[in-house]
Amino acid sequence: DAGVIQSPRHEVTEMGQEVTLRCKPISGHNSLFWYRQTMMRGLELLIYFNNNVPIDDSGMPEDRFSAKMPNASFSTLKIQPSEPRDSAVYFCASSLGQGNEQFFGPGTRLTVL
Amino acid sequence: SQQGEEDPQALSIQEGENATMNCSYKTSINNLQWYRQNSGRGLVHLILIRSNEREKHSGRLRVTLDTSKKSSSLLITASRAADTASYFCAPDNYGQNFVFGPGTRLSVLP
Repeated sequence: DAGVIQSPRHEVTEMGQEVTLRCKPISGHNSLFWYRQTMMRGLELLIYFNNNVPIDDSGMPEDRFSAKMPNASFSTLKIQPSEPRDSAVYFCASSLGQGNEQFFGPGTRLTVL
Repeated sequence: SQQGEEDPQALSIQEGENATMNCSYKTSINNLQWYRQNSGRGLVHLILIRSNEREKHSGRLRVTLDTSKKSSSLLITASRAADTASYFCAPDNYGQNFVFGPGTRLSVLP
């Protein structure tokens, strides 16, 4: 298995631009998580899906952030418009059910200028 | 969901020494997991210990769990430079999603 796949691995954009991060979970996993990691705030859970349905998005910073999971093998995290304070590493993780071992992707390093 | 708090925040040891890091949590749990993060990488699952277990081993890793004290410890024996990483605990509160704490930054010096 290729593990959790994220793209792009690096993204540099200018303030105000739309950014879309992509994630392909491990086949068969039914829970998917989006995290953000910065030096200041550590690792934060943004949103998680169970069986493609968003369960808890209370970690999403504001309306500029949105996430979708149109099917079991694909999820996106969109930031529109992006701001410099959104610069961080964004991780996607998947698991077989909540509370079980999570498998993390390599992350997307986002820089907003 | 609940957050585990790791202690110490940073730890430096010499290669070959043992490293011990601790985790405390607030409410009852179903299981507790430990993860490692190498610089610039995603987290990697190390070990899971269930609430009815007191100790678990995996290679050079030894995890203990004391549910009465709501605490866990991770012991890495005979440390190597490759063990340099941040370590996070994740207490699972019966299927609710866990919140990662600040972690313990372990530096193993050659």
